[in-house]
Amino acid sequence: SYELTQPPSVSVSPGQTARITCSGDTLTKQYVHWYHRRPGQAPLLLMYKDTERPSGIPGRFSGSTSGTTVTLTISGVQAEDEGDYFCQSTDNNAQVFGGGTKLTVL
Amino acid sequence: EVQLVESGGGLVKPGGSLRLSCAASGFIFGNFGMNWVRQAPGKGLEWVSSISSVSSYIYYEDSLEGRFTISRDNAKNSLYLQMDSLRAEDTAIYYCAKDYYDTSGQFAGFDYWGQGTLVTVSS
Repeated sequence: SYELTQPPSVSVSPGQTARITCSGDTLTKQYVHWYHRRPGQAPLLLMYKDTERPSGIPGRFSGSTSGTTVTLTISGVQAEDEGDYFCQSTDNNAQVFGGGTKLTVL
Repeated sequence: EVQLVESGGGLVKPGGSLRLSCAASGFIFGNFGMNWVRQAPGKGLEWVSSISSVSSYIYYEDSLEGRFTISRDNAKNSLYLQMDSLRAEDTAIYYCAKDYYDTSGQFAGFDYWGQGTLVTVSS
Protein backbone atom coordinates (compact mmCIF):
# COMPACT_ATOMS: atom_id res chain seq x y z
CA SER A 1 0.00 0.00 0.00
CA TYR A 2 1.02 3.60 -0.56
CA GLU A 3 3.14 5.22 2.15
CA LEU A 4 4.04 8.71 3.23
CA THR A 5 7.31 9.00 5.11
CA GLN A 6 7.91 11.50 7.90
CA PRO A 7 10.82 11.78 10.35
CA PRO A 8 9.75 10.37 13.73
CA SER A 9 10.94 13.39 15.64
CA VAL A 10 12.20 16.94 15.31
CA SER A 11 13.56 19.06 18.14
CA VAL A 12 14.10 22.81 18.12
CA SER A 13 14.61 25.60 20.64
CA PRO A 14 11.99 28.33 21.01
CA GLY A 15 12.30 30.95 18.32
CA GLN A 16 14.13 28.66 15.91
CA THR A 17 12.78 27.21 12.67
CA ALA A 18 11.43 23.69 12.49
CA ARG A 19 11.09 21.81 9.22
CA ILE A 20 9.04 18.63 8.94
CA THR A 21 9.15 16.66 5.72
CA CYS A 22 6.69 14.30 4.10
CA SER A 23 7.87 12.12 1.23
CA GLY A 24 5.92 9.94 -1.14
CA ASP A 25 6.14 8.72 -4.72
CA THR A 26 2.96 10.42 -5.91
CA LEU A 27 3.46 13.79 -4.25
CA THR A 28 4.37 15.39 -7.56
CA LYS A 29 0.76 14.71 -8.59
CA GLN A 30 -1.19 14.78 -5.33
CA TYR A 31 -1.54 17.48 -2.71
CA VAL A 32 -0.48 17.16 0.90
CA HIS A 33 -2.41 18.44 3.89
CA TRP A 34 -0.90 18.88 7.34
CA TYR A 35 -2.36 18.44 10.82
CA HIS A 36 -1.16 19.32 14.30
CA ARG A 37 -2.34 17.34 17.26
CA ARG A 38 -1.64 18.25 20.83
CA PRO A 39 -2.02 15.50 23.45
CA GLY A 40 -5.64 14.85 24.25
CA GLN A 41 -6.92 17.11 21.49
CA ALA A 42 -8.39 16.50 18.07
CA PRO A 43 -6.14 17.09 15.06
CA LEU A 44 -6.11 20.62 13.64
CA LEU A 45 -5.85 21.28 9.90
CA LEU A 46 -2.71 23.38 9.59
CA MET A 47 -2.00 23.52 5.89
CA TYR A 48 -3.86 22.30 2.82
CA LYS A 49 -2.89 21.69 -0.79
CA ASP A 50 0.81 21.85 0.10
CA THR A 51 1.06 25.58 0.75
CA GLU A 52 -2.33 27.03 1.74
CA ARG A 53 -3.17 28.05 5.30
CA PRO A 54 -6.75 27.78 6.59
CA SER A 55 -8.07 30.94 8.19
CA GLY A 56 -6.86 31.34 11.75
CA ILE A 57 -3.55 29.57 11.24
CA PRO A 58 -0.61 31.91 12.01
CA GLY A 59 1.66 33.04 9.20
CA ARG A 60 4.68 31.43 10.82
CA PHE A 61 3.41 28.15 9.38
CA SER A 62 4.28 27.67 5.72
CA GLY A 63 4.51 24.86 3.22
CA SER A 64 6.74 24.12 0.26
CA THR A 65 7.33 21.33 -2.22
CA SER A 66 10.33 19.89 -3.99
CA GLY A 67 9.86 16.84 -6.13
CA THR A 68 8.36 14.04 -4.08
CA THR A 69 8.88 15.85 -0.77
CA VAL A 70 6.59 18.38 0.85
CA THR A 71 7.88 20.40 3.79
CA LEU A 72 6.05 22.10 6.62
CA THR A 73 8.08 24.98 8.04
CA ILE A 74 7.39 26.55 11.40
CA SER A 75 9.25 29.83 11.84
CA GLY A 76 9.81 31.22 15.30
CA VAL A 77 8.70 28.03 17.05
CA GLN A 78 6.69 28.53 20.22
CA ALA A 79 6.10 26.17 23.12
CA GLU A 80 2.50 25.70 22.02
CA ASP A 81 3.73 24.19 18.76
CA GLU A 82 4.79 21.02 20.54
CA GLY A 83 2.91 17.90 19.56
CA ASP A 84 2.48 15.53 16.68
CA TYR A 85 2.34 16.59 13.05
CA PHE A 86 0.80 14.39 10.38
CA CYS A 87 0.79 14.75 6.61
CA GLN A 88 -2.04 13.38 4.49
CA SER A 89 -2.47 12.75 0.81
CA THR A 90 -4.79 10.88 -1.54
CA ASP A 91 -4.02 7.71 -3.47
CA ASN A 92 -6.72 6.30 -5.75
CA ASN A 93 -9.59 7.64 -3.63
CA ALA A 94 -7.98 6.42 -0.42
CA GLN A 95 -6.62 8.82 2.14
CA VAL A 96 -3.13 8.12 3.44
CA PHE A 97 -1.45 9.57 6.49
CA GLY A 98 2.22 9.79 7.22
CA GLY A 99 3.50 8.11 10.36
CA GLY A 100 3.67 11.41 12.20
CA THR A 101 6.46 13.60 13.52
CA LYS A 102 6.78 14.50 17.17
CA LEU A 103 7.93 18.10 17.53
CA THR A 104 9.71 18.82 20.77
CA VAL A 105 10.36 22.41 21.78
CA LEU A 106 13.47 22.31 23.94
CA GLU B 1 -19.89 26.29 15.86
CA VAL B 2 -19.08 23.02 14.14
CA GLN B 3 -19.25 20.04 16.47
CA LEU B 4 -18.66 16.37 15.81
CA VAL B 5 -19.41 14.03 18.69
CA GLU B 6 -18.60 10.35 18.41
CA SER B 7 -20.23 7.64 20.49
CA GLY B 8 -20.63 3.89 20.58
CA GLY B 9 -17.14 2.82 21.50
CA GLY B 10 -16.40 0.32 24.21
CA LEU B 11 -14.95 -3.07 25.05
CA VAL B 12 -15.84 -5.91 22.70
CA LYS B 13 -14.57 -9.46 22.35
CA PRO B 14 -12.73 -10.59 19.21
CA GLY B 15 -15.24 -11.48 16.54
CA GLY B 16 -17.81 -9.10 17.97
CA SER B 17 -19.49 -6.06 16.48
CA LEU B 18 -19.88 -2.39 17.33
CA ARG B 19 -21.67 0.50 15.70
CA LEU B 20 -20.10 3.91 16.05
CA SER B 21 -22.07 7.11 15.59
CA CYS B 22 -21.01 10.67 14.94
CA ALA B 23 -23.48 13.46 15.63
CA ALA B 24 -22.78 16.58 13.60
CA SER B 25 -23.94 20.13 14.19
CA GLY B 26 -23.05 23.67 13.20
CA PHE B 27 -22.90 23.09 9.43
CA ILE B 28 -25.04 21.76 6.59
CA PHE B 29 -24.18 18.11 7.08
CA GLY B 30 -25.63 16.95 3.78
CA ASN B 31 -23.25 19.17 1.82
CA PHE B 32 -20.03 17.53 2.97
CA GLY B 33 -18.22 14.25 2.67
CA MET B 34 -17.39 12.61 5.96
CA ASN B 35 -14.73 10.23 7.15
CA TRP B 36 -13.62 7.85 9.87
CA VAL B 37 -9.99 7.90 10.97
CA ARG B 38 -8.48 5.83 13.76
CA GLN B 39 -5.40 5.87 15.91
CA ALA B 40 -4.19 2.71 17.58
CA PRO B 41 -2.23 2.97 20.84
CA GLY B 42 1.25 4.30 20.15
CA LYS B 43 0.60 4.51 16.42
CA GLY B 44 -0.16 7.23 13.92
CA LEU B 45 -3.39 8.22 12.25
CA GLU B 46 -4.95 5.65 9.92
CA TRP B 47 -7.74 6.49 7.50
CA VAL B 48 -10.60 4.00 7.73
CA SER B 49 -13.37 5.08 5.36
CA SER B 50 -14.96 7.99 3.51
CA ILE B 51 -18.49 8.67 2.32
CA SER B 52 -19.59 11.42 -0.03
CA SER B 53 -22.30 13.93 0.82
CA VAL B 54 -25.23 11.87 -0.46
CA SER B 55 -23.57 8.47 -0.10
CA SER B 56 -22.85 8.14 -3.81
CA TYR B 57 -19.20 7.33 -3.23
CA ILE B 58 -17.86 5.14 -0.45
CA TYR B 59 -14.27 4.09 0.06
CA TYR B 60 -12.52 1.87 2.58
CA GLU B 61 -8.97 1.15 3.61
CA ASP B 62 -8.00 -2.04 1.77
CA SER B 63 -6.95 -4.03 4.83
CA LEU B 64 -10.43 -3.85 6.37
CA GLU B 65 -11.46 -6.68 4.04
CA GLY B 66 -15.14 -5.77 4.03
CA ARG B 67 -15.59 -5.94 7.81
CA PHE B 68 -16.58 -2.28 8.22
CA THR B 69 -19.53 -0.41 6.69
CA ILE B 70 -19.82 3.37 6.63
CA SER B 71 -23.19 5.06 6.27
CA ARG B 72 -24.90 8.35 6.96
CA ASP B 73 -28.34 9.78 7.61
CA ASN B 74 -28.46 13.37 6.43
CA ALA B 75 -31.90 13.88 7.97
CA LYS B 76 -30.40 13.07 11.36
CA ASN B 77 -27.03 14.80 10.75
CA SER B 78 -25.33 11.57 11.64
CA LEU B 79 -22.48 9.41 10.40
CA TYR B 80 -22.09 5.75 11.29
CA LEU B 81 -19.50 2.99 11.19
CA GLN B 82 -20.67 -0.59 11.55
CA MET B 83 -17.73 -2.73 12.58
CA ASP B 84 -18.03 -6.52 12.38
CA SER B 85 -15.63 -9.40 12.97
CA LEU B 86 -13.55 -7.17 15.16
CA ARG B 87 -9.92 -8.04 15.83
CA ALA B 88 -7.43 -6.99 18.46
CA GLU B 89 -5.70 -4.83 15.88
CA ASP B 90 -8.88 -2.77 15.50
CA THR B 91 -8.31 -1.40 19.00
CA ALA B 92 -8.02 2.36 18.54
CA ILE B 93 -9.59 5.72 19.07
CA TYR B 94 -11.99 6.31 16.22
CA TYR B 95 -12.49 9.87 14.98
CA CYS B 96 -15.05 11.24 12.59
CA ALA B 97 -13.82 14.06 10.43
CA LYS B 98 -15.45 16.49 8.00
CA ASP B 99 -14.22 17.15 4.47
CA TYR B 100 -12.88 20.61 3.74
CA TYR B 101 -13.14 22.08 0.26
CA ASP B 102 -11.23 25.13 -0.89
CA THR B 103 -12.78 28.04 -2.77
CA SER B 104 -12.51 26.14 -6.05
CA GLY B 105 -14.44 23.23 -4.54
CA GLN B 106 -11.40 20.97 -4.46
CA PHE B 107 -10.87 18.55 -1.57
CA ALA B 108 -8.45 20.13 0.87
CA GLY B 109 -8.24 17.82 3.88
CA PHE B 110 -10.35 17.40 7.00
CA ASP B 111 -11.15 20.65 8.76
CA TYR B 112 -13.09 19.42 11.78
CA TRP B 113 -12.58 16.34 13.88
CA GLY B 114 -14.43 14.93 16.83
CA GLN B 115 -12.75 14.05 20.10
CA GLY B 116 -12.91 10.36 19.28
CA THR B 117 -14.41 7.23 20.80
CA LEU B 118 -12.28 4.38 22.12
CA VAL B 119 -12.80 0.90 20.79
CA THR B 120 -11.05 -1.91 22.65
CA VAL B 121 -11.12 -5.42 21.24
CA SER B 122 -10.02 -7.90 23.86
CA SER B 123 -11.12 -11.17 25.38
